[in-house]
Amino acid sequence: AQKVTQAQTEISVVEKEDVTLDCVYETRDTTYYLFWYKQPPSGELVFLIRRNSFDEQNEISGRYSWNFQKSTSSFNFTITASQVVDSAVYFCALSVDSGNTPLVFGKGTRLSVIA
Amino acid sequence: NAGVTQTPKFRVLKTGQSMTLLCAQDMNHEYMYWYRQDPGMGLRLIHYSVGEGTTAKGEVPDGYNVSRLKKQNFLLGLESAAPSQTSVYFCASSFLRGLDQHFGDGTRLSIL
Repeated sequence: AQKVTQAQTEISVVEKEDVTLDCVYETRDTTYYLFWYKQPPSGELVFLIRRNSFDEQNEISGRYSWNFQKSTSSFNFTITASQVVDSAVYFCALSVDSGNTPLVFGKGTRLSVIA
Repeated sequence: NAGVTQTPKFRVLKTGQSMTLLCAQDMNHEYMYWYRQDPGMGLRLIHYSVGEGTTAKGEVPDGYNVSRLKKQNFLLGLESAAPSQTSVYFCASSFLRGLDQHFGDGTRLSIL
């Protein structure tokens, strides 16, 4: 069975601090995809990134970066120089071809950035 | 640029009432999904569809039924609403199974 664990339920940081959101996944499949979604206070779900299991390259997009490590089954998300607009709930998710659930979400991490 | 549209956006029901949530997508996606989001639980899959006329159970299917009579529409039905079904419901669609899902804006459903 697939599982995604986001151990941090809530994080508060002061603006301009760096923050890392942790994501640990479990699957026996060798081919899988990992995602991060953002849910701002307005409630919609915003896609941030997809990474497949064969691509362990870290990715940077502006102030966002992602660290994928298969050895530790982790796909962590770092926001550099956080801003108030980064305040949201962030979800990590896992997709595999097998199993009944096409996409499994973690429970989310609520990030509050304080000015 | 409609994408995925959910109707209605808000609804209050009494226990035992029935209702149908409508999801429509204009991207010609094969896959469609219904999720529920509860505080501290993330998103959990209720049912999904791999194409017109097909449906499959997700993690939490009990108390819900779905239909996909047309490729662009995916309906979620509650036959006899219960307070435990108070939640925010999200619909999504994708071209490939599980990947790159486009989400609607959600339906906030309260059952008294």
